[in-house]
Amino acid sequence: QSVLTQPPSASGTPGQRVTISCSGSSSNIGSNAVNWYQQLPGTAPKLLIHSNNQRPSGVPDRFSGSKSGTSASLAISGLLSEDEADYYCAAWDDSLNGPVFGGGTKLTVL
Amino acid sequence: QVQLVQSGAEVKKPGASVKVSCKASGYTFTGYYIHWVRQAPGQGLEWMGIINPSGGRSTYAQKFQGRVTMSRDTSTSTVYMELSSLRSEDTAVYYCARDLMTFDYWGQGTLVTVSS
Repeated sequence: QSVLTQPPSASGTPGQRVTISCSGSSSNIGSNAVNWYQQLPGTAPKLLIHSNNQRPSGVPDRFSGSKSGTSASLAISGLLSEDEADYYCAAWDDSLNGPVFGGGTKLTVL
Repeated sequence: QVQLVQSGAEVKKPGASVKVSCKASGYTFTGYYIHWVRQAPGQGLEWMGIINPSGGRSTYAQKFQGRVTMSRDTSTSTVYMELSSLRSEDTAVYYCARDLMTFDYWGQGTLVTVSS
C-alpha cells in the first residue's frame, strides 16, 4: 500500500492529452514539493518533473506538472507512442522523515 | 556527465547478506546525498534509506532498520548498501539515486535474487 495514491492505469491515443493524478496528505504533498518519474520498460526511473512543475534540461515541454493542496497532477500533451511507460510521483514525508512514492501509473498509448 | 554505475546481479540464499555498490562520477561526490530505492518484480518503488557521502551519516526507512547498512568510500566515490538476513521477498532491483529531494540521476539497477 503506497503512501501516495495514483491510478494504476491511464491511456490515450497519439496526439491526445492525458493527466495522471497523485493524492497525498498534509505531511507529504501538502507541505513538500512533488517530483515525477518516467520508467520505460526494463530501465531505471528518470526524473521528469521536479519541484512540482519544473522540467529538467532535455525533458520536452509536452510534460507539465501542477500541485494544489494535497494533490498533484502530471499532464502529457501531444501523446507519442514513446511515452508508453510507468509514471511515479514522489514527495518528502515529514512524518516518516523520508521520501514516499505513489504506486505508479501504467500509461498505454492506444 | 553525471553517472552512477552499480555492481552486477547477485544470487543469494535465504539468510545470507548482499552488498551492492554504486560508483559516482561526473560531479563532486561529497556534495550530494545518495538514496537507495528498490523495486520488486512488477511492483512500485520503495525507499530504503539515504546516506550523506560527506560525513557518512545514514538514515534508514523503518522497515529496513536493523537489516540495512549504508556506507561510503570517498577515495573511490562509491557508496554501498548491505542488506542482511535476506528472504525471498527481498528479490528486487536495487537502485541508487542522487540528491536529497529530487533523485535527479539513477544508477542502472542491480538485480538481487534470493532463492534456495
